[in-house]
Amino acid sequence: LAKTTQPISMDSYEGQEVNITCSHNNIATNDYITWYQQFPSQGPRFIIQGYKTKVTNEVASLFIPADRKSSTLSLPRVSLSDTAVYYCLTPPRYSGGGADGLTFGKGTHLIIQP
Amino acid sequence: NAGVTQTPKFQVLKTGQSMTLQCAQDMNHEYMSWYRQDPGMGLRLIHYSVGAGITDQGEVPNGYNVSRSTTEDFPLRLLSAAPSQTSVYFCASSYSTGIQETQYFGPGTRLLVL
Repeated sequence: LAKTTQPISMDSYEGQEVNITCSHNNIATNDYITWYQQFPSQGPRFIIQGYKTKVTNEVASLFIPADRKSSTLSLPRVSLSDTAVYYCLTPPRYSGGGADGLTFGKGTHLIIQP
Repeated sequence: NAGVTQTPKFQVLKTGQSMTLQCAQDMNHEYMSWYRQDPGMGLRLIHYSVGAGITDQGEVPNGYNVSRSTTEDFPLRLLSAAPSQTSVYFCASSYSTGIQETQYFGPGTRLLVL
């Protein structure tokens, strides 16, 4: 059972704000939410992480409502170079026979047009 | 810090050949993982390790072996390459507190099996 759910793809235009929402209905009480970005031919890279309310860095903002069942990655004024796949993850649970949650899935393919 | 390094960057094998993909990290992370990524697909977990001497299977372990003799190194072995193993392979290391985890990825190894 997937721990997170997010849209497969999104389109937007340069200069717009883009919001990608991830559902994590069964998130554990103390778990953080982490977002990664992957460009073609590269490995994913960390962009932002948060526990509640709002977190902002130089790349993005992360909004987490009080019930923490979802989170929204916000990219302000996107450019063509923001075209990438974005993944939302909660911490994996390591145990014999597997690592529940250590699977990135397909993520959200964000395409930015001129 | 070099972060996570992978060698080789690109490899061509013939069916039945064996090879080892190298992965090293200099961040003293306990957790390391191997993923494969096929076109249009997300990352699928092959094997992971929670510390030196401890490894476990992920989602798609068949045809691959791993070992973790040191904290720094986590090689992936293909015992008898098959065309179905043509893929891009990413190694990652991570810092985890149990409720908060951040993964750092290497640049990837592109493998073509003929």
